[in-house]
Amino acid sequence: AQSVTQLDSQVPVFEEAPVELRCNYSSSVSVYLFWYVQYPNQGLQLLLKYLSGSTLVKGINGFEAEFNKSQTSFHLRKPSVHISDTAEYFCAALMDTGRRALTFGSGTRLQVQP
Amino acid sequence: DGGITQSPKYLFRKEGQNVTLSCEQNLNHDAMYWYRQDPGQGLRLIYYSQIVNDFQKGDIAEGYSVSREKKESFPLTVTSAQKNPTAFYLCASSSTGGRNYGYTFGSGTRLTVV
Repeated sequence: AQSVTQLDSQVPVFEEAPVELRCNYSSSVSVYLFWYVQYPNQGLQLLLKYLSGSTLVKGINGFEAEFNKSQTSFHLRKPSVHISDTAEYFCAALMDTGRRALTFGSGTRLQVQP
Repeated sequence: DGGITQSPKYLFRKEGQNVTLSCEQNLNHDAMYWYRQDPGQGLRLIYYSQIVNDFQKGDIAEGYSVSREKKESFPLTVTSAQKNPTAFYLCASSSTGGRNYGYTFGSGTRLTVV
């Protein structure tokens, strides 16, 4: 079965420090990858996506992610975080298994401390 | 502005009752989805629909039912057969392919059994 793994359930970090949120997916011939952010009691907002082409993808709010096919990873990075980045982050994948729906990871809670 | 609307925002259900969650979109998207969110478990797929009058079960369809009579609407009914319905429910829509592929989410409905 297709799966998406976010290894870290919580990531505490100080303001202005860099951060990396990890995401791995089960191997597939082709895959679309996404990162979403969720603020409390709200829906999810798209940060960035990889469909094809350049493996380094830039998104909103200064976030970027790199698609690594050999390691089946799509880690999210930001060079300097702000208090306002505190939120839940979800990695998701659409894999070529015939099911046309995203599979989500369990989420990573980013807690930015002053 | 185009978007996706879920209602109500909060819903309380007595044991043994069926309740219906509304999801409406005006994005002209063909596909619509229902996910359930529980703490620490990410988003789990309940049902999805790629076209009108057709839908497929996701990973946790037991105790739920849906209909897709109109392109704009994809209501979810939580039946009395769902043993643990207290959760946050998210509806999403998407185009079915191409460079614009990606979900737009509603703001969610929080269902509580009392």
